[in-house]
Amino acid sequence: RKEVEQDPGPFNVPEGATVAFNCTYSNSASQSFFWYRQDCRKEPKLLMSVYSSGNEDGRFTAQLNRASQYISLLIRDSKLSDSATYLCVVNPLGGTNAGKSTFGDGTTLTVKP
Amino acid sequence: DGGITQSPKYLFRKEGQNVTLSCEQNLNHDAMYWYRQDPGQGLRLIYYSQIVNDFQKGDIAEGYSVSREKKESFPLTVTSAQKNPTAFYLCASSPRTYETEAFFGQGTRLTVV
Repeated sequence: RKEVEQDPGPFNVPEGATVAFNCTYSNSASQSFFWYRQDCRKEPKLLMSVYSSGNEDGRFTAQLNRASQYISLLIRDSKLSDSATYLCVVNPLGGTNAGKSTFGDGTTLTVKP
Repeated sequence: DGGITQSPKYLFRKEGQNVTLSCEQNLNHDAMYWYRQDPGQGLRLIYYSQIVNDFQKGDIAEGYSVSREKKESFPLTVTSAQKNPTAFYLCASSPRTYETEAFFGQGTRLTVV
């Protein structure tokens, strides 16, 4: 089983739709979580961190469920420009793995007119 | 402006050659990483370094080598022992604490010809 698993894609949605991605992680000691966005043939860029209390940034909402060991990303009112691959990233607890992030394989979203 | 610079953006290698990918950062980050990404897949860790003159193997270190002689620089050499080197290579850096995200360079696309 992979340490970080994401919903298999691709997700194809019309403009204006609401779409949600889930990501599960296996290391219960994991402390920090992030969502990155990666456009085709570009580097990943941080979309948002995921806090225990959940957090929102405009149309994007991230949530963390420690009991079930998953994080989610909700995108409301999808725009064509939201089309990208979304990567779930987990930083394990410190010690010998300090600073080593674990990436999911990504979920591809295509928003269509 | 602070950031991470990878060069070259595109690199072509003949079979049996070693090539070195450059990664420089002026963010004063302690930790630096090299990832490999194949089409349709997530990022896989090759090597990482948390301090100068020290580095650790990631999940797919075979056929690669690194050095960390300066805090700002973390070059990656793809050796002839790497049997399938064609991929997108991403360098990243982060502060040393585990609570923070990584920042990526723009990547180097390596093709074996």
